[in-house]
Amino acid sequence: SYVLTQPLSVSVALGQTARITCGGNNIGNKNVHWYQQKPGQAPVLVIFRDSNRPSGIPDQFSGSNSGNTATLTISRARAGDEADYYCQVWDSSTWVFGGGTKLTVL
Amino acid sequence: QIQLVQSGAEVKKPGASVKVSCKPSGYTFTTFGLSWVRQAPGQGLQWMGWINAYNGNTKSAQKVQDRLTLTADTSTSTAYMELRSLRSDDTAIYYCARAGESLDYWGQGTLVTVSS
Repeated sequence: SYVLTQPLSVSVALGQTARITCGGNNIGNKNVHWYQQKPGQAPVLVIFRDSNRPSGIPDQFSGSNSGNTATLTISRARAGDEADYYCQVWDSSTWVFGGGTKLTVL
Repeated sequence: QIQLVQSGAEVKKPGASVKVSCKPSGYTFTTFGLSWVRQAPGQGLQWMGWINAYNGNTKSAQKVQDRLTLTADTSTSTAYMELRSLRSDDTAIYYCARAGESLDYWGQGTLVTVSS
């Protein structure tokens, strides 16, 4: 089965740019989706199909995908962006999640 | 607006079954599938299965496929997830989510606790 690898944690200074990676074999050939999950809340889709933002998601969230790595970029990081972030692909008719990355805003 | 409302928390003994409901609103029930995802305490997201709300076709993760039943009642626009032979490691929050390739709308989650 397909495996997605994320760093356990990423830290970013307030107002700076955070990058969260998601590694997978030839992931650039797949559509990657990203979710934000805050404590005690359900996940929220923040990026779909590599780089598209759903309605209501601010433009500080962006995504890219090439080769073996997809990246979620969070610009102008705020305290409210502290959360767990998960990447996901659809592979062989199953939904595959990465292990999640905890973003800390310092 | 689109919402998915799930049934309330459950406490079950090992070996029992649990059935969680998910009622979407704000879109036509049969036009999207629904996935079920669970999250054990302090852990990540684990996809469990998917149902085509139009025709009832399902796909399940290998880890739970022998114990999982997904159904969709088009008369009430409600989906159900039943997990049998519960074990302590089934303790988790269970989510339903509207499913395309991505999961764009999620229910609020249902906590299922398995404890003797």
